[in-house]
Amino acid sequence: AQSVAQPEDQVNVAEGNPLTVKCTYSVSGNPYLFWYVQYPNRGLQFLLKYITGDNLVKGSYGFEAEFNKSQTSFHLKKPSALVSDSALYFCAVSRPSNKFYFGSGTKLNVKP
Amino acid sequence: DAGITQSPRHKVTETGTPVTLRCHQTENHRYMYWYRQDPGHGLRLIHYSYGVKDTDKGEVSDGYSVSRSKTEDFLLTLESATSSQTSVYFCAISERDSPLHFGNGTRLTVT
Repeated sequence: AQSVAQPEDQVNVAEGNPLTVKCTYSVSGNPYLFWYVQYPNRGLQFLLKYITGDNLVKGSYGFEAEFNKSQTSFHLKKPSALVSDSALYFCAVSRPSNKFYFGSGTKLNVKP
Repeated sequence: DAGITQSPRHKVTETGTPVTLRCHQTENHRYMYWYRQDPGHGLRLIHYSYGVKDTDKGEVSDGYSVSRSKTEDFLLTLESATSSQTSVYFCAISERDSPLHFGNGTRLTVT
């Protein structure tokens, strides 16, 4: 069965500092992995995906994520956080049936 | 935003009444999904469709049914609403192995 875990309910970081939002997954076969962001009272927006190839993928708004097959992880990163990055972040996995399974979400708070 | 429209945007209903939520897309995508979002649970898949009249259950399908008679429309029905179904419901669409695109959500309150 597919599953995604986001071990941190909340991450706090100061503006200008690097940020990491953690995600681990469990799936049979090769995973397709995704990150989404949700701003207050909004729908979810796609940030980036890993399908195959380079383990470091770059996405929207300066975010990137690193796929680590041995640790079954797909952590979201950004070198320098902005206050406007404060939002709810979701990791998702889809394979093999094109069903998408989401983690429980991590609230990112970036303080000035 | 991708061409996805959810209706209604807000609904308050009483326990035991039937409720139907509609998702309409203009992207001609093959796959359509219904999720519910609850604090502490993230997004949980209710049902999804991989083509016209082709649907499958998700993680939390009990108490929900779906229908897809046309490519563009995916209906979610609560046959007899319960308070535990108070939630925000999101429709999403995708093509094979492509990201999901979400609608703006329907906030459902069951009193």
